[in-house]
Order: sequence, then structure tokens, then C-alpha cells
Amino acid sequence: QVQLLQSGAEVKKPGASVKVSCKASGYTFNIYYMHWVRQAPGQGLEWMGLFNPSGSRTNFAQKFQGRVAMTRDTSTSTVYMELRSLKSEDTAVYYCARGIGSGSHIDVWGQGTLVTVSS
Amino acid sequence: SYVLTQPPSVSVAPGKTARITCGGNNIGTKSVHWYQQKPGQAPVLVINYDSDRPSGIPERFSGSNSGNTATLTISRVEAADEADYYCQVWDTSSDVVFGGGTKLTVL
Repeated sequence: QVQLLQSGAEVKKPGASVKVSCKASGYTFNIYYMHWVRQAPGQGLEWMGLFNPSGSRTNFAQKFQGRVAMTRDTSTSTVYMELRSLKSEDTAVYYCARGIGSGSHIDVWGQGTLVTVSS
Repeated sequence: SYVLTQPPSVSVAPGKTARITCGGNNIGTKSVHWYQQKPGQAPVLVINYDSDRPSGIPERFSGSNSGNTATLTISRVEAADEADYYCQVWDTSSDVVFGGGTKLTVL
């Protein structure tokens, strides 16, 4: 079945970077978008950006531009999200999620990765 | 950037109908998708393209979208429907936008 398996929880210090992985299985990896969405404790969903496998294009929310990168490894069907210059406000659960395409919905979500930023 | 406005909370008695709204400028011209999220779990798609129900979602869930308001309707509400609900659209800059979420409480 379609599955997105994310890497484990991370604890980082302010100013550091974190790289979260998302391994896809059960579908043709290079056809679908991969979104990254985060959720701070007790808060709502916040879209960070997406990786479009067509041409390896990315689109980031303005809030994260300059601080986030999204890459993929086709050989392992894995997408990575790296967030730099971490602040305490970046403490959140980070989800990867499969998207059907522009204008469309998200149909499969990873289990989430908790990133804690604390000195 | 495009803003989606949801009521923070909605309460409903079991067996009654819950309506969760999602407001946005001319949202009726966009496709609206709805997600359900229970505590400690990832979101689950319950309605896509305004009113389509994915496989496995009960017929009690329905959606509509017109003018400046999209609505998720849950008929014959059950205790298991208690969750947070989020609407989602794409804005003109090809960004994904989520509403702030609505906590549905089953009394």
C-alpha cells in the first residue's frame, strides 16, 4: 500500500539545521508532488512548501524562503526537507504528504517527525 | 497572501448535523479540500474538490462551496467524529493555504 515513512525525532539547538527524510513506497515516486507541512504544539497546520518531481522544481511558502531546502534521492524514493537557522518557534511536528498535483489535494501523509529546538 | 477563516470551535449533540465553515475571498472560484485530524494522528482527507468523498469516508460527510464560504457538513454526528477539521486551497501564487482549523466537539 502507499506509505510515507519519516525519520525519527530530532533535538536541535538554536541556530542549527535539521534534515528530515521521507521514504515513499507503494507508488510511482516521480509522478506525485511531495508537500511538507508542520504543526507546532497545539497549533494548526502550516504549509512549508513542495517538491515537484517534474524538473525537480520546488515552491516554498514565503515565510520559509531562504531557510528551507527540499531534495530527493530517486534511487531510494526518498525526499528530504532541510530547515536551517532553527529557532525555538520551529519546534513542531513536520509531515511529508503526497500531493496529486497543482490545485489538488493531499491524499497520503507521513507519520510526522517531531523536531524540538531547545538550548 | 490568501487567508482562510474557520471558527475555532463547533459543538454538536450526537445524531445532529455539524456545519463547519471556511471563509475566503471568492473561495467559490477555488477547489476546497477538507481534512480531519484526531489527537496524535496525521490528518486524513475527508472531502476533496469541494464535495467529493474519498473512498472509505462515510456518506455522512459532505461539502459545498459558493461565494465566499465553503462548508463541511457532517450529518448524524457520532462521537468518533470529534476531531480538528481543516480546509485547504491553493492560492494564485501556487501556494497551499490551510485554514486555522475547527475543533469539533460532540456533546
